[in-house]
Formats: sequence, C-alpha cells, structure tokens
Amino acid sequence: DQQVKQNSPSLSVQEGRISILNCDYTNSMFDYFLWYKKYPAEGPTFLISISSIKDKNEDGRFTVFLNKSAKHLSLHIVPSQPGDSAVYFCAASTSGTYKYIFGTGTRLKVLA
Amino acid sequence: IAGITQAPTSQILAAGRRMTLRCTQDMRHNAMYWYRQDLGLGLRLIHYSNTAGTTGKGEVPDGYSVSRANTDDFPLTLASAVPSQTSVYFCASSWGANQPQHFGDGTRLSIL
Repeated sequence: DQQVKQNSPSLSVQEGRISILNCDYTNSMFDYFLWYKKYPAEGPTFLISISSIKDKNEDGRFTVFLNKSAKHLSLHIVPSQPGDSAVYFCAASTSGTYKYIFGTGTRLKVLA
Repeated sequence: IAGITQAPTSQILAAGRRMTLRCTQDMRHNAMYWYRQDLGLGLRLIHYSNTAGTTGKGEVPDGYSVSRANTDDFPLTLASAVPSQTSVYFCASSWGANQPQHFGDGTRLSIL
C-alpha cells in the first residue's frame, strides 16, 4: 500500500517554462513534507520542505504548495532550466518520528 | 567537504555471504538512516537511529541489522545475503526528526 504516490513517472518541459510535479498521500497523520532532487549515481539532495501549518513555501525558483484537504502537494519550478533535469522525490513524515515515506519519483527533463 | 561517506561504492556478493555496508558522517547529526532504492519503488527506509546507542525499524527491516556505537558511524549488515537484497543502498543523516536529510552517494549491491 503506497502511502505517498507520484503518479507521473516522467515529465518533459521546455526551458524557461514552469515545471509542476505532483504528489499525493493517503495518511492524514503526515504533517511534514519534503522534496528531493536526485541526479544519476548521486544521493538525493534536499530541495524544499513544508509543514502542515502552511500551505505554501517558497525558495528561489522552487515553490511547494500543500492542499491538506486533498492530501496533495506540488512542486513548482519557475523558470525551468536544463540543470533541473533529474528525478524528483516527495517524502512525508509525522511530527516527532524518524520514519520518512518516499514516493516513487518523477523524472523531469527540461528541454533546451 | 562535510558530508556522508559510504563504502564500498559497489559490490557483487554471492548469496549466503555476510556483508557490512559502511556509513560515516562528519556533520555531528544526531539521526542516521539506511534506505534501499529499487526501480519503481522509490526509497524505502530499512533502519534508523535517532541518537547514538538507539536504533529503530523502518518499512523493510527484515534481513538487515544496524548498530550505532557512536555519533558518526552507522553500519548496515546483511547476515546472509539473498538475491532480493540486490539494490542501491543510501545512508542519510539529519539533526533530528522532521529535519531535511543529507544523503551519501549510495552503494550498489548485487547478490548472485
């Protein structure tokens, strides 16, 4: 039973446009969410996080939106750059725990 | 450069053999984690440790053991390797619960 789902295995976007990556979760106890980026042969790198007390968090070109009622979060990248091409994972956890549940990832390709 | 070091980077192992994957961090993070990444399944938590001397089970702990004798080291042991343990293993660390994790570059393990 996949508690965190990334239903789009891949996404292609033109350079300069917006990339929107989606993530759905089923466990209503999750209250802390993170996005990671992963290049081939490297470990995941932390991008941005959001707690359930917020519905938006922004860091430069990256914005994460959280819709608690829909149990849905999304990562927006504006403008997209070729260097953003990577696999993006969302992850969720519950306050005070050390157990993070990851989605299966979305491969983003930004076309020059 | 501060971070997480994993060793070996890759290994081919005969089924039934014992193997220890090493992980060392120099960031003085309290918490450490072991994940495995398999195609189509994302990253799954094997074991974690919230502080030296304590460990906990993740989603897929069977067949693996860990120890945390000090803050910096968190080895993962496969007592008797089986082919289903073929995977890429990532070690990570964080300051505490609900904090971004820093990942190593992984160990690619093949069990034949």
